[in-house]
Amino acid sequence: QQPVQSPQAVILREGEDAVINCSSSKALYSVHWYRQKHGEAPVFLMILLKGGEQKGHEKISASFNEKKQQSSLYLTASQLSYSGTYFCGTGEKIQGAQKLVFGQGTRLTINP
Amino acid sequence: EPEVTQTPSHQVTQMGQEVILRCVPISNHLYFYWYRQILGQKVEFLVSFYNNEISEKSEIFDDQFSVERPDGSNFTLKIRSTKLEDSAMYFCASSGDTQYFGPGTRLTVL
Repeated sequence: QQPVQSPQAVILREGEDAVINCSSSKALYSVHWYRQKHGEAPVFLMILLKGGEQKGHEKISASFNEKKQQSSLYLTASQLSYSGTYFCGTGEKIQGAQKLVFGQGTRLTINP
Repeated sequence: EPEVTQTPSHQVTQMGQEVILRCVPISNHLYFYWYRQILGQKVEFLVSFYNNEISEKSEIFDDQFSVERPDGSNFTLKIRSTKLEDSAMYFCASSGDTQYFGPGTRLTVL
């Protein structure tokens, strides 16, 4: 069952902040965040692992609430380059090849 | 920075024809994947591969699909008899713990 992302779309002005949520009905081991621009491949942003380990980028951070099976992606002081569709992918395995189940995406538009 | 590469970038084929999509994963990665994305929709898992075996496959990955790692570098997805609904963007990915996606192959079945 796929994770549910909210909101479906966001329109911001440059410099504003955004929060994108990802919620699953299943127990998760990891949450993977990607950004995809039109016609391009998903680009890795962030991975959050059960137990609190987190990897990511400057100005983009995320949280992972294991009990609630939810993750949120925080984009601060948004730039024009942040525009795109953001997908969360959830992983249920502790080790090995990790099938990712993706949400339906959140389209983020940043205007000057 | 190492990256996943895929060929061809575009493939147009007639319904019923066989296609082979090729991928070169990142060299020190052990896990390989194929995903597909129908235009405007989410990314869907097809299959994962490790140690020359399929680790997991989705319901989409039926008998018409197969994967192979014919040598030490390439990873291929074969569709034996393409259908109109196979038209999509196909992404290869490889991982240690983080999955990195290739640029994709756009498959159009006429």
